[in-house]
Amino acid sequence: GAVVSQHPSWVICKSGTSVKIECRSLDFQATTMFWYRQFPKQSLMLMATSNEGSKATYEQGVEKDKFLINHASLTLSTLTVTSAHPEDSSFYICSAITLQTGMEQYFGPGTRLTVT
Amino acid sequence: KNQVEQSPQSLIILEGKNCTLQCNYTVSPFSNLRWYKQDTGRGPVSLTIMTFSENTKSNGRYTATLDADTKQSSLHITASQLSDSASYICVVSVLYGNKLVFGAGTILRVKS
Repeated sequence: GAVVSQHPSWVICKSGTSVKIECRSLDFQATTMFWYRQFPKQSLMLMATSNEGSKATYEQGVEKDKFLINHASLTLSTLTVTSAHPEDSSFYICSAITLQTGMEQYFGPGTRLTVT
Repeated sequence: KNQVEQSPQSLIILEGKNCTLQCNYTVSPFSNLRWYKQDTGRGPVSLTIMTFSENTKSNGRYTATLDADTKQSSLHITASQLSDSASYICVVSVLYGNKLVFGAGTILRVKS
C-alpha cells in the first residue's frame, strides 16, 4: 500500500526558532499533499493544500508567512514553522493523494512539535 | 455548513464485546464517507471508504454502514481486542476539491 512518512517524529524547539517538518510519499508520486494540525483531544484541522511546483493554498486563519510550505517534488513536501511560539505546540500530520490512489488520502504518522 | 458529528464521545468496553459508533453528517455535495482509526500519537489509518451507492462495507472485524438518505453512518466492531483501543474518526469527503470534513472522533478503550 501507499506509504507516507514524516520526519522528525517529534521535535522540541525554543520559542522564536524555526523548525522544518518533512513529509514524503515513499512508494508513489503525490500530486497533492495536505498539512493538518491536531490539538489534544481534537480532530484534525486542515492547514493547507500543496501541489507540486505551485504555491500552497492556506485555509482561513492560517498564517502563510508563519507556516511555510514547499512542495519541491512529487514525493516531498515540507512545512516550516517560523518564529515558533508555545501555542504552536501541536501534532502536525501530512497526507498525500495521487491519481493512482483515487479517493484514498494516505496519512503520515505525524510529528509532535513542542515549543518551550 | 459542512459538519460531521460523532457519538459517543468516548466509550469503554470489555475485551471480546461488540460496539457500534455513530456518525451523522451534513456535507454537500457528498462524495464519500470514510472511517479512520487513529492510535495515540500516530496518523489516521483508513478502515473503510463508502460512496453514495454503498450501504455496507467490511474490513475484518470492522463493518461500516451508510444511509445516504438520513446522512448517517455507523462503524460496528466485532469481538473487540485490546488493540482496538484508539480514536475512530468519521470523515466525509466533499465532491470536487479533495476537501475532507472530519468528525471529532470517538475514543474507544477496550479493557480486559
